[in-house]
Amino acid sequence: DAGVIQSPRHEVTEMGQEVTLRCKPISGHNSLFWYRQTMMRGLELLIYFNNNVPIDDSGMPEDRFSAKMPNASFSTLKIQPSEPRDSAVYFCASSFSVGGYTFGSGTRLTVV
Amino acid sequence: GQQVMQIPQYQHVQEGEDFTTYCNSSTTLSNIQWYKQRPGGHPVFLIQLVKSGEVKKQKRLTFQFGEAKKNSSLHITATQTTDVGTYFCAGPSGANNLFFGTGTRLTVIP
Repeated sequence: DAGVIQSPRHEVTEMGQEVTLRCKPISGHNSLFWYRQTMMRGLELLIYFNNNVPIDDSGMPEDRFSAKMPNASFSTLKIQPSEPRDSAVYFCASSFSVGGYTFGSGTRLTVV
Repeated sequence: GQQVMQIPQYQHVQEGEDFTTYCNSSTTLSNIQWYKQRPGGHPVFLIQLVKSGEVKKQKRLTFQFGEAKKNSSLHITATQTTDVGTYFCAGPSGANNLFFGTGTRLTVIP
């Protein structure tokens, strides 16, 4: 298995632009999570899906952030419009039931 | 709300020395997981502890879950440069969700 696949690996964008991060979870995993990591705030859960259904999006910072999971093999996290304070590493992770998480390699987002 | 604190925040050790990081929760945990994140990398699942007082070993790593299931520790014997990274504990939050601790960043001096 190729693991959790995220794209792009790096994204540099100008303030105000739309950013879309993509994730392909491990086949068979029924939960998918989006995390954001910064030095100041550590690993923060943004949203998670169970069987493609959003369960908890209380970690989504504001309305500029949205996430979708149209099917079991694909999820997107969109930021529109992006702001410099959104600069961080965004991780996608998947798991089966209550097992350990498998993280993707992350997307390093820089908003200038 | 869920709080999982780790100490120390940073640790520098000489290669060959032992290292321990501690994880403390404000609430009783049904289980606890440990992850390692290498510099520039992503968190990698190490282990899950479920039972009160459980001790598990992975080569030079020893994981312990407290009797009250509110604390846990990770001990590394005779550190090597490959042990460098940040070690996170994580406890359940919600139905199928983890709350990650603040992490302990380990530096090993050759």
